[in-house]
Amino acid sequence: QQPVQSPQAVILREGEDAVINCSSSKALYSVHWYRQKHGEAPVFLMILLKGGEQKGHEKISASFNEKKQQSSLYLTASQLSYSGTYFCGTEKPGGYQKVTFGIGTKLQVIP
Amino acid sequence: NAGVTQTPKFRILKIGQSMTLQCTQDMNHNYMYWYRQDPGMGLKLIYYSVGAGITDKGEVPNGYNVSRSTTEDFPLRLELAAPSQTSVYFCASSPAGGNSYEQYFGPGTRLTVT
Repeated sequence: QQPVQSPQAVILREGEDAVINCSSSKALYSVHWYRQKHGEAPVFLMILLKGGEQKGHEKISASFNEKKQQSSLYLTASQLSYSGTYFCGTEKPGGYQKVTFGIGTKLQVIP
Repeated sequence: NAGVTQTPKFRILKIGQSMTLQCTQDMNHNYMYWYRQDPGMGLKLIYYSVGAGITDKGEVPNGYNVSRSTTEDFPLRLELAAPSQTSVYFCASSPAGGNSYEQYFGPGTRLTVT
């Protein structure tokens, strides 16, 4: 079942913060976050694993509440380069790393 | 490393025609995936493979077929193209393992069926 993302769209000024939420009705093994710029492929941002391990390589943080099956992506001090559509993807236990993606949150950062 | 490559980048098909979308990865990843992305929507999994010779259906497999004869290649076949198959198709790969790993996406193929 597709995870639900909120908000669907947000406009920020440079330097402002944003939070993107992702929730699922199913028990989760992991949550993936990707960013896609217009006309390009999705690019990996972060994985949050059940048990608390977090993997990522950008200056963007996230949390994963396993009990509530929710994850949040935190973008602080936003930059113009943060603009794009953010997708969360959820993976069930034993799922062969099959990820079900939400419909995305469109983020626009303006000067 | 080239990563994940896809060909062609663009294609226009007439209704009823068939074609194969090519996907190759040079990272020795066992897991490979095919997604379609419709405007304003997320990515829908069509088929996936956990290794050479092993494939399985995703959420939206109807109208598509796949094969995986080598670790590197994972072609997607469209038989009897329909307008509903107009979409952007992404191939992705990831390492196998006990934990979850990021997926590496190819640049996509934009397909129009008219």
